[in-house]
Amino acid sequence: GQNIDQPTEMTATEGAIVQINCTYQTSGFNGLFWYQQHAGEAPTFLSYNVLDGLEEKGRFSSFLSRSKGYSYLLLKELQMKDSASYLCAVKRGSTLGRLYFGRGTQLTVWP
Amino acid sequence: DAGVTQSPTHLIKTRGQQVTLRCSPKSGHDTVSWYQQALGQGPQFIFQYYEEEERQRGNFPDRFSGHQFPNYSSELNVNALLLGDSALYLCASSGGYRGTGNEQFFGPGTRLTVL
Repeated sequence: GQNIDQPTEMTATEGAIVQINCTYQTSGFNGLFWYQQHAGEAPTFLSYNVLDGLEEKGRFSSFLSRSKGYSYLLLKELQMKDSASYLCAVKRGSTLGRLYFGRGTQLTVWP
Repeated sequence: DAGVTQSPTHLIKTRGQQVTLRCSPKSGHDTVSWYQQALGQGPQFIFQYYEEEERQRGNFPDRFSGHQFPNYSSELNVNALLLGDSALYLCASSGGYRGTGNEQFFGPGTRLTVL
């Protein structure tokens, strides 16, 4: 099976920077996704990494190291609306569909 | 352009009953996946439909079944409901079973409560 591990909870203050880590162990790795999920809502896509390195998209960046089975999501200039659960998910093989999710990291941003 | 839609939004059932949840994929998408998300957990893959056939299946019992229609919409059926089936059921659509798309779009989900 897959072993995807991320912290359960994190807190930070407005304007700060926070890094959410995700480690995974899987065969046939073919990409890692980050999703944001506000309470009671659907997950929304944030980023996708398949090659090593950093992908930057506005205030959000995602990093992948395949050799270490490690990824992180970096959120800059935190805003109150960033309070949400952040889900790390791994894709295996060539077909899109079956994503393996971690339990999610609940981020709380304080004023 | 409508995104992924699901119905109903909320549903309350009792143990032993059967339930049908519905999903319409994002316009242009042909592949639908279903996930179960228990409170405080990440989504767990149930199964995926493409060309009206079940293509992949997660570790869920046969009580969970599905269907995809020619217009790509999909249903999830759960028989003999158990208390443990209470969860948020998410539908996700994508634009290519054979890996041409790298993003799944999720619907708002159906909150199922089994009493």
